Amino acid sequence: NAGVTQTPKFQVLKTGQSMTLQCAQDMNHNSMYWYRQDPGMGLRLIYYSASEGTTDKGEVPNGYNVSRLNKREFSLRLESAAPSQTSVYFCASSGRPDQTYEQYFGPGTRLTVT
Amino acid sequence: DQQVKQNSPSLSVQEGRISILNCDYTNSMFDYFLWYKKYPAEGPTFLISISSIKDKNEDGRFTVFLNKSAKHLSLHIVPSQPGDSAVYFCAAILSFAGGTSYGKLTFGQGTILTVHP
Repeated sequence: NAGVTQTPKFQVLKTGQSMTLQCAQDMNHNSMYWYRQDPGMGLRLIYYSASEGTTDKGEVPNGYNVSRLNKREFSLRLESAAPSQTSVYFCASSGRPDQTYEQYFGPGTRLTVT
Repeated sequence: DQQVKQNSPSLSVQEGRISILNCDYTNSMFDYFLWYKKYPAEGPTFLISISSIKDKNEDGRFTVFLNKSAKHLSLHIVPSQPGDSAVYFCAAILSFAGGTSYGKLTFGQGTILTVHP
């Protein structure tokens, strides 16, 4: 039982390049989330997927797109990377919201945009 | 607009003593609160939570207190251990928003706890 896995662990991009961050969970959770963590800012929600087939914007969605590929996988895409997107990205998942609010996080992807 | 605030960026405590981490929130509609712990190069891990219908929840060395009138919660760690050194985030949830409850967390900025041997 690996929990929440993320790939890659590290990435360096040049401004304007695109990339997709991958996330998978093996806990049969319905909901999945993408956050970014910046110094002094805590974790901010980028996008979430309450259940398979649905996605919604969070607090900071500009410059990102997501795909809920199936119940296990939720990817985050940067179409044209900008230096402001340099951050640590975390994926998380949780069970049914009416049962638990606890979210389980992956190890993170450290992204640098030059 | 920071709805959840941790005003102390860091806290230093001696091993064996009590650590008290504080968190304030502005949205009175928040009805569930969680604390997460984060080590460097790892994702946050869930520590303890409390519903707004309670004022205290204990789990071993960890106790969370909620003061709804002051919109304030705190995490007490007793006794503190060097392995507790980490960043601690508090988070709050509006359990029902627009008729759906999807567990959307709002995080504070985090407090770095250092426990000295």
